[in-house]
Amino acid sequence: GESVGLHLPTLSVQEGDNSIINCAYSNSASDYFIWYKQESGKGPQFIIDIRSNMDKRQGQRVTVLLNKTVKHLSLQIAATQPGDSAVYFCAENRDGNSGGSNYKLTFGKGTLLTVNP
Amino acid sequence: EAGVTQFPSHSVIEKGQTVTLRCDPISGHDNLYWYRRVMGKEIKFLLHFVKESKQDESGMPNNRFLAERTGGTYSTLKVQPAELEDSGVYFCASSQVTSVTGTQYFGPGTRLLVL
Repeated sequence: GESVGLHLPTLSVQEGDNSIINCAYSNSASDYFIWYKQESGKGPQFIIDIRSNMDKRQGQRVTVLLNKTVKHLSLQIAATQPGDSAVYFCAENRDGNSGGSNYKLTFGKGTLLTVNP
Repeated sequence: EAGVTQFPSHSVIEKGQTVTLRCDPISGHDNLYWYRRVMGKEIKFLLHFVKESKQDESGMPNNRFLAERTGGTYSTLKVQPAELEDSGVYFCASSQVTSVTGTQYFGPGTRLLVL
Protein backbone atom coordinates (compact mmCIF):
# COMPACT_ATOMS: atom_id res chain seq x y z
CA GLY A 1 0.00 0.00 0.00
CA GLU A 2 0.99 3.63 -0.08
CA SER A 3 3.15 4.59 2.85
CA VAL A 4 5.81 6.92 4.09
CA GLY A 5 8.28 5.27 6.41
CA LEU A 6 11.60 5.76 8.12
CA HIS A 7 14.77 3.69 7.91
CA LEU A 8 15.95 4.14 11.50
CA PRO A 9 13.86 4.54 14.62
CA THR A 10 16.69 6.16 16.67
CA LEU A 11 19.77 8.23 15.97
CA SER A 12 22.35 9.36 18.49
CA VAL A 13 24.94 11.98 17.60
CA GLN A 14 27.52 14.13 19.34
CA GLU A 15 26.91 17.82 19.69
CA GLY A 16 28.45 19.64 16.75
CA ASP A 17 28.24 16.68 14.39
CA ASN A 18 25.98 16.59 11.37
CA SER A 19 22.84 14.47 11.51
CA ILE A 20 21.13 12.69 8.66
CA ILE A 21 17.63 11.36 9.06
CA ASN A 22 16.20 9.22 6.29
CA CYS A 23 12.75 8.52 5.00
CA ALA A 24 11.37 6.30 2.25
CA TYR A 25 8.09 6.68 0.47
CA SER A 26 6.30 4.24 -1.76
CA ASN A 27 3.97 6.38 -3.84
CA SER A 28 5.71 7.74 -6.92
CA ALA A 29 2.81 10.18 -7.37
CA SER A 30 3.68 12.01 -4.16
CA ASP A 31 4.45 15.62 -4.96
CA TYR A 32 5.10 17.37 -1.71
CA PHE A 33 7.14 16.36 1.33
CA ILE A 34 7.54 17.92 4.72
CA TRP A 35 9.78 17.38 7.71
CA TYR A 36 8.38 17.98 11.16
CA LYS A 37 10.12 18.08 14.51
CA GLN A 38 8.27 17.03 17.63
CA GLU A 39 9.63 17.78 21.06
CA SER A 40 8.35 16.04 24.12
CA GLY A 41 4.89 17.26 25.11
CA LYS A 42 4.50 19.42 22.01
CA GLY A 43 2.90 19.07 18.62
CA PRO A 44 4.80 18.57 15.37
CA GLN A 45 6.62 21.70 14.30
CA PHE A 46 7.23 22.44 10.62
CA ILE A 47 10.92 22.42 9.70
CA ILE A 48 11.23 22.42 5.94
CA ASP A 49 9.40 21.20 2.86
CA ILE A 50 10.22 20.27 -0.69
CA ARG A 51 8.24 19.78 -3.84
CA SER A 52 8.76 16.89 -6.22
CA ASN A 53 10.16 19.17 -8.91
CA MET A 54 13.16 19.88 -6.69
CA ASP A 55 15.92 17.63 -5.39
CA LYS A 56 17.38 19.85 -2.72
CA ARG A 57 16.25 22.66 -0.50
CA GLN A 58 18.17 24.43 2.24
CA GLY A 59 17.03 26.21 5.33
CA GLN A 60 18.82 27.43 8.39
CA ARG A 61 21.15 24.56 9.37
CA VAL A 62 18.83 22.09 7.66
CA THR A 63 18.83 20.64 4.17
CA VAL A 64 16.27 18.33 2.65
CA LEU A 65 17.26 16.05 -0.20
CA LEU A 66 14.79 14.27 -2.44
CA ASN A 67 15.72 11.34 -4.65
CA LYS A 68 12.69 10.49 -6.73
CA THR A 69 14.46 7.65 -8.50
CA VAL A 70 14.66 5.60 -5.33
CA LYS A 71 11.82 7.41 -3.54
CA HIS A 72 13.99 8.57 -0.71
CA LEU A 73 13.94 11.70 1.39
CA SER A 74 16.52 12.85 3.89
CA LEU A 75 16.93 15.63 6.41
CA GLN A 76 20.39 16.88 7.16
CA ILE A 77 21.03 18.95 10.26
CA ALA A 78 24.33 20.77 10.39
CA ALA A 79 26.21 21.27 13.65
CA THR A 80 23.60 19.43 15.67
CA GLN A 81 22.77 21.04 18.99
CA PRO A 82 21.16 19.65 22.15
CA GLY A 83 18.03 21.61 21.27
CA ASP A 84 17.70 19.51 18.14
CA SER A 85 16.90 16.45 20.24
CA ALA A 86 13.39 15.42 19.25
CA VAL A 87 11.40 13.02 17.11
CA TYR A 88 11.56 13.85 13.43
CA PHE A 89 8.77 12.90 11.06
CA CYS A 90 8.63 13.01 7.33
CA ALA A 91 5.22 13.48 5.82
CA GLU A 92 3.71 13.43 2.39
CA ASN A 93 0.99 15.63 0.97
CA ARG A 94 -0.07 14.68 -2.50
CA ASP A 95 -2.19 17.76 -3.12
CA GLY A 96 0.44 20.25 -2.18
CA ASN A 97 0.77 21.52 -5.73
CA SER A 98 -2.93 21.86 -6.40
CA GLY A 99 -3.04 25.50 -5.38
CA GLY A 100 -6.40 24.86 -3.85
CA SER A 101 -7.45 23.28 -0.63
CA ASN A 102 -4.64 21.55 1.24
CA TYR A 103 -5.01 17.88 1.94
CA LYS A 104 -4.16 15.26 4.50
CA LEU A 105 -0.62 14.44 5.52
CA THR A 106 0.66 10.88 5.61
CA PHE A 107 3.33 10.50 8.28
CA GLY A 108 6.14 8.10 8.80
CA LYS A 109 6.74 6.51 12.20
CA GLY A 110 9.37 9.01 13.27
CA THR A 111 13.06 8.96 14.18
CA LEU A 112 14.20 9.86 17.67
CA LEU A 113 17.28 12.06 17.48
CA THR A 114 19.37 12.27 20.64
CA VAL A 115 22.19 14.79 20.79
CA ASN A 116 24.90 14.01 23.32
CA PRO A 117 26.80 16.97 24.81
CA GLU B 1 0.26 35.51 16.06
CA ALA B 2 -1.28 32.84 18.29
CA GLY B 3 -0.75 29.27 17.21
CA VAL B 4 -3.17 26.37 17.16
CA THR B 5 -4.52 25.71 20.63
CA GLN B 6 -6.14 22.59 21.99
CA PHE B 7 -8.10 21.85 25.12
CA PRO B 8 -7.75 19.95 27.33
CA SER B 9 -4.07 19.08 27.29
CA HIS B 10 -4.79 15.80 29.06
CA SER B 11 -7.91 13.75 29.69
CA VAL B 12 -8.31 10.54 31.63
CA ILE B 13 -11.70 8.87 31.38
CA GLU B 14 -13.22 5.49 31.89
CA LYS B 15 -14.33 3.21 29.12
CA GLY B 16 -17.87 4.06 28.10
CA GLN B 17 -17.64 7.72 29.02
CA THR B 18 -17.77 10.65 26.64
CA VAL B 19 -14.97 13.09 25.96
CA THR B 20 -14.98 16.24 23.86
CA LEU B 21 -11.77 17.72 22.55
CA ARG B 22 -11.54 21.26 21.30
CA CYS B 23 -9.28 22.89 18.74
CA ASP B 24 -8.89 26.57 17.99
CA PRO B 25 -7.04 27.04 14.70
CA ILE B 26 -4.87 29.96 13.76
CA SER B 27 -7.08 32.93 13.03
CA GLY B 28 -8.00 33.12 9.37
CA HIS B 29 -7.12 29.53 8.56
CA ASP B 30 -10.00 27.93 6.69
CA ASN B 31 -8.49 24.46 6.78
CA LEU B 32 -8.63 22.47 9.98
CA TYR B 33 -7.41 18.92 10.41
CA TRP B 34 -7.61 16.31 13.11
CA TYR B 35 -4.93 13.65 13.50
CA ARG B 36 -4.14 11.15 16.18
CA ARG B 37 -1.22 9.04 17.29
CA VAL B 38 -1.89 5.89 19.19
CA MET B 39 0.91 4.27 21.19
CA GLY B 40 3.75 3.02 19.01
CA LYS B 41 2.08 4.03 15.78
CA GLU B 42 2.51 6.86 13.33
CA ILE B 43 0.39 9.97 13.28
CA LYS B 44 -2.78 9.23 11.33
CA PHE B 45 -5.17 11.59 9.59
CA LEU B 46 -8.74 11.63 10.87
CA LEU B 47 -10.54 14.35 8.99
CA HIS B 48 -10.30 17.71 7.27
CA PHE B 49 -12.60 20.71 7.41
CA VAL B 50 -12.71 23.56 4.96
CA LYS B 51 -14.48 26.26 6.91
CA GLU B 52 -17.50 24.50 8.39
CA SER B 53 -17.67 21.72 5.80
CA LYS B 54 -16.14 18.28 6.11
CA GLN B 55 -13.82 17.94 3.13
CA ASP B 56 -12.54 14.49 3.96
CA GLU B 57 -13.46 12.27 6.89
CA SER B 58 -11.96 9.09 5.52
CA GLY B 59 -9.71 8.65 8.54
CA MET B 60 -12.44 8.62 11.17
CA PRO B 61 -12.23 5.17 12.77
CA ASN B 62 -15.93 4.58 13.43
CA ASN B 63 -19.20 6.27 14.28
CA ARG B 64 -18.20 6.76 17.91
CA PHE B 65 -16.22 9.76 16.68
CA LEU B 66 -18.03 12.97 15.78
CA ALA B 67 -16.28 16.12 14.62
CA GLU B 68 -17.93 19.49 14.22
CA ARG B 69 -16.86 22.95 13.20
CA THR B 70 -19.90 25.13 13.59
CA GLY B 71 -19.35 28.61 12.20
CA GLY B 72 -16.08 27.58 10.63
CA THR B 73 -13.95 28.66 13.57
CA TYR B 74 -13.09 26.24 16.36
CA SER B 75 -13.72 22.52 16.08
CA THR B 76 -14.71 19.82 18.52
CA LEU B 77 -14.06 16.11 18.36
CA LYS B 78 -16.34 13.99 20.50
CA VAL B 79 -15.74 10.37 21.34
CA GLN B 80 -18.84 8.61 22.62
CA PRO B 81 -18.60 6.06 24.11
CA ALA B 82 -14.86 5.92 24.54
CA GLU B 83 -13.06 2.60 24.22
CA LEU B 84 -9.62 1.55 25.42
CA GLU B 85 -8.16 1.67 21.91
CA ASP B 86 -9.07 5.34 21.62
CA SER B 87 -6.19 6.23 23.92
CA GLY B 88 -3.56 8.32 22.25
CA VAL B 89 -2.62 11.86 21.38
CA TYR B 90 -5.07 13.83 19.29
CA PHE B 91 -3.57 16.63 17.25
CA CYS B 92 -5.27 19.45 15.48
CA ALA B 93 -3.66 21.39 12.65
CA SER B 94 -4.68 24.32 10.51
CA SER B 95 -3.56 25.85 7.26
CA GLN B 96 -4.44 28.69 4.96
CA VAL B 97 -6.21 27.79 1.73
CA THR B 98 -4.09 30.28 -0.12
CA SER B 99 -0.79 29.17 1.40
CA VAL B 100 1.69 28.30 -1.34
CA THR B 101 3.44 25.68 0.69
CA GLY B 102 0.33 24.20 2.21
CA THR B 103 1.99 24.20 5.59
CA GLN B 104 -0.06 22.65 8.34
CA TYR B 105 0.58 24.10 11.78
CA PHE B 106 -0.04 21.74 14.63
CA GLY B 107 -1.36 22.31 18.09
CA PRO B 108 0.22 20.74 21.19
CA GLY B 109 -2.23 17.85 21.21
CA THR B 110 -4.65 16.37 23.72
CA ARG B 111 -3.41 13.27 25.48
CA LEU B 112 -6.37 10.96 26.01
CA LEU B 113 -6.21 7.95 28.26
CA VAL B 114 -9.18 5.61 28.42
CA LEU B 115 -9.14 3.25 31.39
